[in-house]
Amino acid sequence: IAGITQAPTSQILAAGRRMTLRCTQDMRHNAMYWYRQDLGLGLRLIHYSNTAGTTGKGEVPDGYSVSRANTDDFPLTLASAVPSQTSVYFCASSDGTQETQYFGPGTRLLVL
Amino acid sequence: GQNIDQPTEMTATEGAIVQINCTYQTSGFNGLFWYQQHAGEAPTFLSYNVLDGLEEKGRFSSFLSRSKGYSYLLLKELQMKDSASYLCAVMDSNYQLIWGAGTKLIIKP
Repeated sequence: IAGITQAPTSQILAAGRRMTLRCTQDMRHNAMYWYRQDLGLGLRLIHYSNTAGTTGKGEVPDGYSVSRANTDDFPLTLASAVPSQTSVYFCASSDGTQETQYFGPGTRLLVL
Repeated sequence: GQNIDQPTEMTATEGAIVQINCTYQTSGFNGLFWYQQHAGEAPTFLSYNVLDGLEEKGRFSSFLSRSKGYSYLLLKELQMKDSASYLCAVMDSNYQLIWGAGTKLIIKP
């Protein structure tokens, strides 16, 4: 069982380019989340999905979009990357919204 | 606003005991989580408290006082592999996790 996988592991991206970060879980968890982690700051929620077919905005949603077509996959798209989106992005999942969240290995993104 | 406070960095000696504190002010409370994060890796779940008191799990224990908005993580018999950041997170009334910035724990031999 892999748990949660994320791709790519790292990426250097030119400003203005479109980028999709992939996240897949094999635990059949209902809820999934995207966070960004920046030095000196706590994890900040970008978007979440409580169940397949639904999504919601977190604390810092601007510039990002998500979709949840099925239980397993929760891609995060940057429509037009900007340098302030340079960060480490973590995908997480939980069995329910009140349950423990489990994290993927992260994607390190550098926007130049 | 919502706020989670924990020390930025702590240093301790191998074999010793260390206590990492976390204070919080959030909109509602549905539990407090502690995660461990080694450098360059993902956070991993350590403990969950929703009722007041101490939860013990091997070398790690976590305490919660809801009336004081306070928790601590206690690590005993410190090992070099315990060098990591420890993240405190509170689940608010919307069942979203509010995260502290983390405490970097440095273990010296």
